[in-house]
Amino acid sequence: KAGVTQTPRYLIKTRGQQVTLSCSPISGHRSVSWYQQTPGQGLQFLFEYFSETQRNKGNFPGRFSGRQFSNSRSEMNVSTLELGDSALYLCASSLELASYGYTFGSGTRLTVV
Amino acid sequence: ELKVEQNPLFLSMQEGKNYTIYCNYSTTSDRLYWYRQDPGKSLESLFVLLSNGAVKQEGRLMASLDTKARLSTLHITAAVHDLSATYFCAFYNAGNMLTFGGGTRLMVKP
Repeated sequence: KAGVTQTPRYLIKTRGQQVTLSCSPISGHRSVSWYQQTPGQGLQFLFEYFSETQRNKGNFPGRFSGRQFSNSRSEMNVSTLELGDSALYLCASSLELASYGYTFGSGTRLTVV
Repeated sequence: ELKVEQNPLFLSMQEGKNYTIYCNYSTTSDRLYWYRQDPGKSLESLFVLLSNGAVKQEGRLMASLDTKARLSTLHITAAVHDLSATYFCAFYNAGNMLTFGGGTRLMVKP
């Protein structure tokens, strides 16, 4: 069974640019959530989507946004990139009640220069 | 707001020794997850604990959950080098989000 697929694996962007990251969840999983991992702040929740609806959002500025498509694939977008946005962005998929846990993708390493 | 305190943050131990990683959390939660992360890699699910008193074991790792004490532990028995990694606990929040501890970086020396 295929896992969670995130693309691209690596990105280098310049300050002020915008970026879009993609996540394809495990087949049958309708919940997709996004996390940012940095050495200073650790793992922080960005947002969660279920059936194309954002159900929860973490404490991040409006430059961070996302969406989910009818096939459960999700994208997150960061506009007006700042140096501090450099991080590993992880996507996780789960069944609705997450009783079987969350499966994480390999992540997208974003570097802002 | 749910806060998670994980300790120790860094653990260096000899092969063959036992040790325990602790996760304390600040409010009620009945779902606890443990993950392992190797350098530059993603998070690998280790355990899902869903009720008070839950105990799960896989190889040299055993995890438990005490919801009354708001504490989860990850016990390592007879550590081997392959267990070297960073371990995270995470608690489930309403809204289908996880709150992570700061991680424990484990180094097992021969």
